[in-house]
Amino acid sequence: GENVEQHPSTLSVQEGDSAVIKCTYSDSASNYFPWYKQELGKGPQLIIDIRSNVGEKKDQRIAVTLNKTAKHFSLHITETQPEDSAVYFCAAPLGWVWGNTPLVFGKGTRLSVIA
Amino acid sequence: NAGVTQTPKFRILKIGQSMTLQCTQDMNHNYMYWYRQDPGMGLKLIYYSVGAGITDKGEVPNGYNVSRSTTEDFPLRLELAAPSQTSVYFCASSYSPSRGQETQYFGPGTRLLVL
Repeated sequence: GENVEQHPSTLSVQEGDSAVIKCTYSDSASNYFPWYKQELGKGPQLIIDIRSNVGEKKDQRIAVTLNKTAKHFSLHITETQPEDSAVYFCAAPLGWVWGNTPLVFGKGTRLSVIA
Repeated sequence: NAGVTQTPKFRILKIGQSMTLQCTQDMNHNYMYWYRQDPGMGLKLIYYSVGAGITDKGEVPNGYNVSRSTTEDFPLRLELAAPSQTSVYFCASSYSPSRGQETQYFGPGTRLLVL
């Protein structure tokens, strides 16, 4: 089955700096790669996702890049702010997404933005 | 829309007791999921459902049961609680058309302590 590795497990950055979180996956057939943000005491919330027909996607200060050959994808947060402090999870489906394919989540990265 | 709601928010169980974690969504999503989140371990899929009357096991189904009699509700049943089931439980839902995976919307979670 799919295995998703996420690094680093913790990350501290100064406010205004950039943060990068990387994930690797094992199943070359996977074609959908979401990133979730979990604030303290809340459920995860989707912040950005990418499908295998594109290599990069941006949404304001957040971007995700995908390298299908190397089977890894990364989350980039620029100009970090204190409200970006949270746990971030990457995920990948078990193989080609066709209807009922569940997601496998990475173990998460705790991001701390120091003011 | 209220989105995904979960009850209770917190519960303490004694070993061997039973309980049902409730989950309801009002977005008319066909897919629903149950995850457990242990510290530093990310999200593990327990069970999922692709529609009323259809359920399937995830990665860690042992000790749990589910049912899906309606589109809106997806309760998770613990029959004989064990300390290993101490965790935070998240319910999620998504709409998955034929083109594949879509955003999963998570509830606020139920924190369960088994003593």
